Amino acid sequence: DIQLTQSPPTLSVSVGDRVTITCRASQSINSWLAWYQQKPGRAPKLLIYKASTLQSGVPSRFSGSESGTEFTLTISSLQPDDFATYYCQHYDNYPRPFGQGTKVEIK
Amino acid sequence: QVYLVQSGAEVKSPGASVTVSCKVSGYAFTGYYLHWVRQAPGQGLEWMGWINPNNGDTHLVEKFQGRVAMTRDTSISTAYLELSSLGSDDTAVYYCARDLPSVFWGQGTLVTVSS
Repeated sequence: DIQLTQSPPTLSVSVGDRVTITCRASQSINSWLAWYQQKPGRAPKLLIYKASTLQSGVPSRFSGSESGTEFTLTISSLQPDDFATYYCQHYDNYPRPFGQGTKVEIK
Repeated sequence: QVYLVQSGAEVKSPGASVTVSCKVSGYAFTGYYLHWVRQAPGQGLEWMGWINPNNGDTHLVEKFQGRVAMTRDTSISTAYLELSSLGSDDTAVYYCARDLPSVFWGQGTLVTVSS
């Protein structure tokens, strides 16, 4: 089974900061990786799929990239609405685990 | 518009069973897999498996095999998740989602297992 290792677990940041979250796969997943944002009491919201394709309606300050089996979610300038928990998930095959999550909190 | 509407919160005793439903509308029920994801309080997302509403085939994470059943009723565009032999670690919010990755999720169903 493919494992995903997401880091860091927590980020304490300020509005306007650049935020980078990493997700490392245990083997090749052929760019089949998605990023979600989740706020308390809400279902996850899809931000990015296919490693770097921005879901329609998602602000352009969010971007995804990949280098081999390492994937990165970047928020170019953090906005107040972006304080949330972020998860990666691969969909190369089954099972389709999520990463452990990264909570972006106010510094 | 696509909607996935789940059944309401449940409180169950240890050892009992629970069934969570996910009723879809706005698209062809048999056209997309439905996935189930759960989230224990304060914890991350855990993918459980999927059901193919077209033929009823399922794929479950190994840890749930034998204790979890995913079924569907195509006549009412509804999928079901049944968990048996509940333990305290099954306390979680359970979500259905139309295929994954997805923008279409149910609102979540809180299942509390408590004596």
